[in-house]
Amino acid sequence: GENVEQHPSTLSVQEGDSAVIKCTYSDSASNYFPWYKQELGKRPQLIIDIRSNVGEKKDQRIAVTLNKTAKHFSLHITETQPEDSAVYFCAASRAGRRALTFGSGTRLQVQP
Amino acid sequence: DSGVTQTPKHLITATGQRVTLRCSPRSGDLSVYWYQQSLDQGLQFLIQYYNGEERAKGNILERFSAQQFPDLHSELNLSSLELGDSALYFCASSSSTGTDTQYFGPGTRLTVL
Repeated sequence: GENVEQHPSTLSVQEGDSAVIKCTYSDSASNYFPWYKQELGKRPQLIIDIRSNVGEKKDQRIAVTLNKTAKHFSLHITETQPEDSAVYFCAASRAGRRALTFGSGTRLQVQP
Repeated sequence: DSGVTQTPKHLITATGQRVTLRCSPRSGDLSVYWYQQSLDQGLQFLIQYYNGEERAKGNILERFSAQQFPDLHSELNLSSLELGDSALYFCASSSSTGTDTQYFGPGTRLTVL
C-alpha cells in the first residue's frame, strides 16, 4: 500500500521567515496530494491541494510543489505569522482508492 | 465549519464496553470516511462508505464496524474496548469516489478507562 513520509517532524521559524515541509510517497499511482493544518484538539483543515497533472499551485502565502518523477511534494509557507503555528499533515490518495494516507505530521512553531 | 457533524464530542467509557459514534456528511456528499488519530499512530484510515456501500477498508480492527444509512449518515461501532482504543475519531466526507477534497468533522474524543 501507499506510504507517505514527512519531514521534518518539528520546525521552528521566526515570524516573517519561510517554512518548508517535505513529503515523499511510494505509490506511483497516487494522483491527489492535499495538505491539512490541525490545531490542538481541532479537525484537520484543508489548506491547499494539488493533483498530479499540475506541478505547482499557489494560494496567497501558501504554495505546494509536486515532483512526480521523484515522488515528492512540498509545502511552502512564506511570511510566516504566529497564527500559522500548528501541526501540518501531507497526504496522498490514488484513483480507485480515495482514502487518504497521511504523513506523520510536522509541528510548526512560529516565534514572534 | 466544514459542514460535517459528529456526535458525541466526548465519550468516556470503560474497557470491554461498546460505543457508537455518529457522523453526518456535508449536504450532497455521498462518501464518508472514518479516521483514527492517536498520539503514536497519527491519522489512520479505518473505512470508507459510498452511498450506503462499503468501498474501502484500512487498518480497522475486527472489533470495529461501520455502516452508512439511506440518509447518508454513518455510524462507527467500537466494541470490546481496550485502553489503546482511546483516540480522536474523525469522520470526513467527499462528494464522490473521484479524487475529491475530503472535509473533516470536529471529531469524537474517546477515552477508555
